[in-house]
Amino acid sequence: DAKTTQPTSMDCAEGRAANLPCNHSTISGNEYVYWYRQIHSQGPQYIIHGLKNNETNEMASLIITEDRKSSTLILPHATLRDTAVYYCIVRGSNAGGTSYGKLTFGQGTILTVHP
Amino acid sequence: KAGVTQTPRYLIKTRGQQVTLSCSPISGHRSVSWYQQTPGQGLQFLFEYFSETQRNKGNFPGRFSGRQFSNSRSEMNVSTLELGDSALYLCASSPDAGPGTEAFFGQGTRLTVV
Repeated sequence: DAKTTQPTSMDCAEGRAANLPCNHSTISGNEYVYWYRQIHSQGPQYIIHGLKNNETNEMASLIITEDRKSSTLILPHATLRDTAVYYCIVRGSNAGGTSYGKLTFGQGTILTVHP
Repeated sequence: KAGVTQTPRYLIKTRGQQVTLSCSPISGHRSVSWYQQTPGQGLQFLFEYFSETQRNKGNFPGRFSGRQFSNSRSEMNVSTLELGDSALYLCASSPDAGPGTEAFFGQGTRLTVV
């Protein structure tokens, strides 16, 4: 799976949009970009994923650049409860097609939302 | 729809013992993956099961093993426990093993080895 690079930490004011960047310059054509977040000591929570097109759901929006080498997760109106570690993950298959189920987590971005 | 259920939530074991952790996936999900999370190493992939077959395995010693039953429930076992096995063990389930399907995590089992 392609490696991802994220900033170590970010701050955001409550009510403002939080834009979390992720670089994945070695992503291949069949690999998806996934975002998860983890609030202290809880299981990671799925946020959103995409392949090429921008995606939006009730939690967030995912903007993927045209060359797919980077993406941005957008939380449109951040709240204090959005304070968490956010993980950007690239997920696909290896040559044998057997790595689908594997999520390779990096260190993520610690997002702190302050009043 | 019930989420991913992991039991027990907390466990304390002694070095040298063995432990079995259980994961019940979301109804209808056939893929179950296990992860270990420690402060030093972060979240690391242990193994994945799909339709009772191990499809993928992470870089862990043979003391770590798992299995999946016909109802998709999964167990992982750690034998000859070491202090370094103290961690949060997480299970994730997916409808299938495809790369475009989301995986949902349970709340984890916190294992402490003393």
